Amino acid sequence: NAGVMQNPRHLVRRRGQEARLRCSPVKGHSHVYWYRQLPEEGLKFMVYLQKENIIDESGMPKERFSAEFPKEGPSILRIQQVVRGDSAAYFCASSRGTRRNTEAFFGQGTRLTVV
Amino acid sequence: TQLLEQSPQFLSIQEGENLTVYCNSSSVFSSLQWYRQEPGEGPVLLVTVVTGGEVKKLKRLTFQFGDARKDSSLHITAAQPGDTGLYLCAGGASGGGADGLTFGKGTHLIIQP
Repeated sequence: NAGVMQNPRHLVRRRGQEARLRCSPVKGHSHVYWYRQLPEEGLKFMVYLQKENIIDESGMPKERFSAEFPKEGPSILRIQQVVRGDSAAYFCASSRGTRRNTEAFFGQGTRLTVV
Repeated sequence: TQLLEQSPQFLSIQEGENLTVYCNSSSVFSSLQWYRQEPGEGPVLLVTVVTGGEVKKLKRLTFQFGDARKDSSLHITAAQPGDTGLYLCAGGASGGGADGLTFGKGTHLIIQP
């Protein structure tokens, strides 16, 4: 049983470029969550998606950031026109549902560096 | 905005000692989760507590959820170097999973041999 797979593990982008981060959830999980972690900071919730639907994007910046979870394929977090402040570790988690005690599994993260 | 404060921020102790780390909030959470994260890796779930006053044990780790569901503690008995890592607590507003979890900044724990 493969866990949450994120790729790439490391991504370097120049200011103004686009960053695409991919997340394949645990097989059978239809709920995906994206978090951002800055050095010495806790993980900050960004967005929660179910298949083809964004359920909660309250933690995601309104501009330049978007997320999708298509019917087929991985979830994608897209950052357009990256700036230095976007440098962080981005983690994806998946779960089977949101009922009490539903365990969420995290991927190993994508470390984005904007130069 | 719900906030979780973790203390201490850093803790370095000798192998064999006991320790307790804390997770406090002014908000009520329907569930509280503890994770351990190692450098370059994602958080790994250790335990979920959902009932006020609940105590769960995982080998040498004891987790407690406060009666009012606003705070939690993690106690490690006879710490070992393998316990070294970043311990994160996270509160769930809707009852579990990672549904918009609020994370604390973590406690960096170092166990020296």
